[in-house]
Amino acid sequence: EVQLVESGGGLVQPGGSLRLSCAASGFTFSSYWMHWVRQAPGKGLVWVSRLNSDGSSATYADSVKGRFTISRDNAKNTLYLQMNSLRAEDTAVYYCGRVGIGYKGALDVWGQGTSATVSS
Amino acid sequence: QSVLTQPPSVSGAPGQRVTISCSGSNSNLGAGYDVHWYQQLPGTAPKLLIYSNNNRPSGVPDRFSGSKSGTSASLAIAGLQAEDEADYYCQSYDSRLSGSVFGGGTKLTVL
Repeated sequence: EVQLVESGGGLVQPGGSLRLSCAASGFTFSSYWMHWVRQAPGKGLVWVSRLNSDGSSATYADSVKGRFTISRDNAKNTLYLQMNSLRAEDTAVYYCGRVGIGYKGALDVWGQGTSATVSS
Repeated sequence: QSVLTQPPSVSGAPGQRVTISCSGSNSNLGAGYDVHWYQQLPGTAPKLLIYSNNNRPSGVPDRFSGSKSGTSASLAIAGLQAEDEADYYCQSYDSRLSGSVFGGGTKLTVL
């Protein structure tokens, strides 16, 4: 079964750090581009970051540029999001998503999400 | 303010047809980038409904259809069912922002 499972969320103080993980199974992880998307409580989906299949090219939303780093370990079938200098406005459920091959950027598989809360 | 603009809410009776619009600009939809649509049921992760303007992944009923013209796109849902009550989001790529963008989302209520 094709699956993405996020972990690593939790409660952190403003200015702190969190590292999110997204474990992939059921498909050849190293062949797929991956994204992180977040959703603040009661709000809509917001794109965060994208990484190509070999990890050599990453892009970020302006709101997280310089604070968040996306990476992957294809040997461990895992995508990461290192979040530093966290702010209250980073509070959200974070989803990882897989770009379907031939799907022109559409995310055909999503994880269940992991919640990050930034509060003192 | 989202780069892609969607109506906050739409509604329809069971069996009816509704459409959800997604309005962009010359740096995203108007530049030829594809639009994708997602359905998010309450308390769950988003699910891909339409990719590349008008294509359905396997398993998505043909009641769902998409179209795109210029700087606008639409999702149509025919034969509304109670289980279609959800939030719907459009997504594309924006060359000015050099990244993906989502619409603000539309809440569909089945009356």
